[in-house]
Parts: sequence; structure tokens; C-alpha cells
Amino acid sequence: NAGVTQTPKFRVLKTGQSMTLLCAQDMNHEYMYWYRQDPGMGLRLIHYSVGEGTTAKGEVPDGYNVSRLKKQNFLLGLESAAPSQTSVYFCASRNNSPLHFGNGTRLTVT
Amino acid sequence: DQQVKQNSPSLSVQEGRISILNCDYTNSMFDYFLWYKKYPAEGPTFLISISSIKDKNEDGRFTVFLNKSAKHLSLHIVPSQPGDSAVYFCAAPSPYGQNFVFGPGTRLSVLP
Repeated sequence: NAGVTQTPKFRVLKTGQSMTLLCAQDMNHEYMYWYRQDPGMGLRLIHYSVGEGTTAKGEVPDGYNVSRLKKQNFLLGLESAAPSQTSVYFCASRNNSPLHFGNGTRLTVT
Repeated sequence: DQQVKQNSPSLSVQEGRISILNCDYTNSMFDYFLWYKKYPAEGPTFLISISSIKDKNEDGRFTVFLNKSAKHLSLHIVPSQPGDSAVYFCAAPSPYGQNFVFGPGTRLSVLP
């Protein structure tokens, strides 16, 4: 039982490049979330999903897109990376329980 | 506008003493609160929660107190241990959707 797995763990992008962050959970959770963590700002919600095939915007959705084609996977895409997207990204999932988090992806955009 | 506030970015405590981490909130519709603990290079992990119908919840060395009239909660760790050194986030489920609102976190350092 791996819980919530995020890939990759680290990535460096140049401004304008694109990438996809993958989140996979093996707990059969309905709800999945993408947060970003920045110093002094805590965890801010980017997008979330309440079930397979659904997505919704969070607090800071601009510059990101998501897809939930399979229940166990939640993908976060950056189409044209900007330095302001340098952050640590956390995926989380839950049913009727507290959030279970992955170990994060550290992204640097130069 | 931060709905969940943790006004102390950091706290240092001697091993064996009590650690008190504070959290204030602005939305009176919050009915459930959680504390998460985060070590470097790891994701946050759930620590303890409290429902708004209670004023105290205890789990081993960890106790959370809720003062609804003051919109304030606190996490007490007694006795503090070096392994408790981490960032602690206060959080609440948003009353408007299926997401959670997090405070900015407090970095606790327990000194041996």
C-alpha cells in the first residue's frame, strides 16, 4: 500500500517549457487535490477533483490545468512555465477522512 | 484574506517542556479543525482533529483546545521531544466546497 505517490520528485524547467506532474493513489479515494507550498503562505489549493472525470478550480488555478481520467490518477499540467510557479507541489486524496498527502514535487523555473 | 491564521512563524522549546501552537480563524462556519505535521522533504501528515461541538480533544502527548467564541484553537504537546521538531499546519474544511483551508504553518524546534 503505497498511499499517494508523486512523480517526479524534482524538476528544473526553463521559462516557457511545459510539464506534467503525476499523482497516483491506491486507496480508492474519490477526492484528489493539488496544493502548492510557498514560504510564509502555507498550502494553497490549485485545483481539485471530487471524482473521476471531474475537476474544479481552487484558490490559485491560473497557469495550471488538471485532468482526472482515471480515479486513481490526478495530473497537474503547466503549459508555459513561469518563474512564479517555482514551488513545492503536493498532491492529496481522501474519502471521508483527513487528507493523505504525497511527498511533494520540488519545481524550479528559471 | 487568510481565513486560517498562524501568527507565529516559529517556536523554540526545550525538550520535556510544553509546546503551544496557536491558530486563529475568521470564518464562523468552520465546524471541524485539523492539525498536520510536516517534516522536511515529506508531505504533511494528519496529527489530530477537533469538532466544533467539543472544546478539547486529546491523543497521547497531543491535545487540541478550541475556543469558539474567540475563534481560536491551540495545539499542546507535552512533553515535547526532539522528534516533534517540524512545521505544524492548522486547517479547516471549507464550508463552500470539498476543499480545505490551511494556515501558513508554525515551525517548531525542540531543543535537546
